[in-house]
This record gives sequence, structure tokens and C-alpha cells, in this order.
Amino acid sequence: GAVVSQHPSWVICKSGTSVKIECRSLDFQATTMFWYRQFPKQSLMLMATSNEGSKATYEQGVEKDKFLINHASLTLSTLTVTSAHPEDSSFYICSARGLAGFYEQFFGPGTRLTVL
Amino acid sequence: DAKTTQPPSMDCAEGRAANLPCNHSTISGNEYVYWYRQIHSQGPQYIIHGLKNNETNEMASLIITEDRKSSTLILPHATLRDTAVYYCIVRARAGGTSYGKLTFGQGTILTVHP
Repeated sequence: GAVVSQHPSWVICKSGTSVKIECRSLDFQATTMFWYRQFPKQSLMLMATSNEGSKATYEQGVEKDKFLINHASLTLSTLTVTSAHPEDSSFYICSARGLAGFYEQFFGPGTRLTVL
Repeated sequence: DAKTTQPPSMDCAEGRAANLPCNHSTISGNEYVYWYRQIHSQGPQYIIHGLKNNETNEMASLIITEDRKSSTLILPHATLRDTAVYYCIVRARAGGTSYGKLTFGQGTILTVHP
């Protein structure tokens, strides 16, 4: 089956620093990747959609200058949380969808971000 | 995309069938029903999807009513490892600005007990 990985699986950083999270599709080419955020005991909230080679589309209320998304290749997307603050602490999950005709989204294992 | 309604929690005995209901009364003709599950602190896992016919795979069966306003996910022989949050999601077929987006509700917490 389709495998999506994320790195790192967890990260602790100081307030004010930036953190980069990688999302990779290991055995398929992902034309579209999605980034979600999940707070404790809550459901997943879609943050943004990125298509390879183009700018990401952010959901309402998500600051695009704070959550920088790059999808430079068909197997890699990155999410950078800039100037992180404690309220950015969350579980960040990516998903990937393949080429036309392969519509299912496959999710990564998630990255736990803790900002001190 | 149409909204879904699921019970907040369900219990099931190990080895028995788990039947998880989902109501999607406002579903439109071009929308699929998808089921995902999320085991604690992991990313969601795709289970199954369907349009109007019943579907079965190695994980589960999906029964969709004839009017498509509700569906049931069936795990035929639940195990302790099936304890998870199960999400029923209605997703647009190809095309449109919302294509590909998955909108997660609160889901059903399924607890399988020995």
C-alpha cells in the first residue's frame, strides 16, 4: 500500500524558533499533499492544500506567513512553523494523494510539536 | 461537502462484529462516503469508501442505504487493536474547489473489550 512518512516524529523547541516538518510519499508520486493540525481530544483540522510546483491554498483562519508550506517535488512537502509559540503546540499530520485516478488520501504518522 | 453525524462512542466485545452507523442525509449524487480510523497518537488510516453499492475489503464492509442517507461500517470480527476513533466522511467526487478535501467530524470512539 501507499506509505507516507513524516520527520521528525516529535520535536521540542523554544518559543520564537522555527521548526520544519517533512512529509514524504515513499512509494508513489503525490501531486497533492494536505496538512492537518490536531489539538488534544479534538478532530483533525485541515490547514492547507499544496500541489506540486504551485503555492499552497490555506484554509480560512490559517496564517500563511506563519505556516510556510513548500511542495517542491512529487514526493516531498515541508511545513515550517515560523516563530513558534506555545499555542502552536499540536499534532501535525500530512496526507498525500497520488496522480489522477488514484484518489485516496494516505496519511503520515504525524509529528508532535511542543513549544516551550 | 455534506455533513455527517456519528454516535460519540460505542463498545464492542472482542470477536464480535462492530457496526458503526453514520448519517449523511444531505449527501448529493456526486459524493462518496469514506471511512477512516485513527488509533491514538497516529495518523488516520484509510478503511473503505463507496458511492452507492455495498463494498467489502480485507478490513471491513460498507453498507450504504438505497437512499444513500446513511451507511454502516462493519468490522466483522473486532479485535482489541480495532480500538480507535472512526471517522465517516462525505467527499466530493472529482472536480470542484473542494475536491480532495477531507472534513473530519468528531467521529465515533470504538472501544473493543475482552
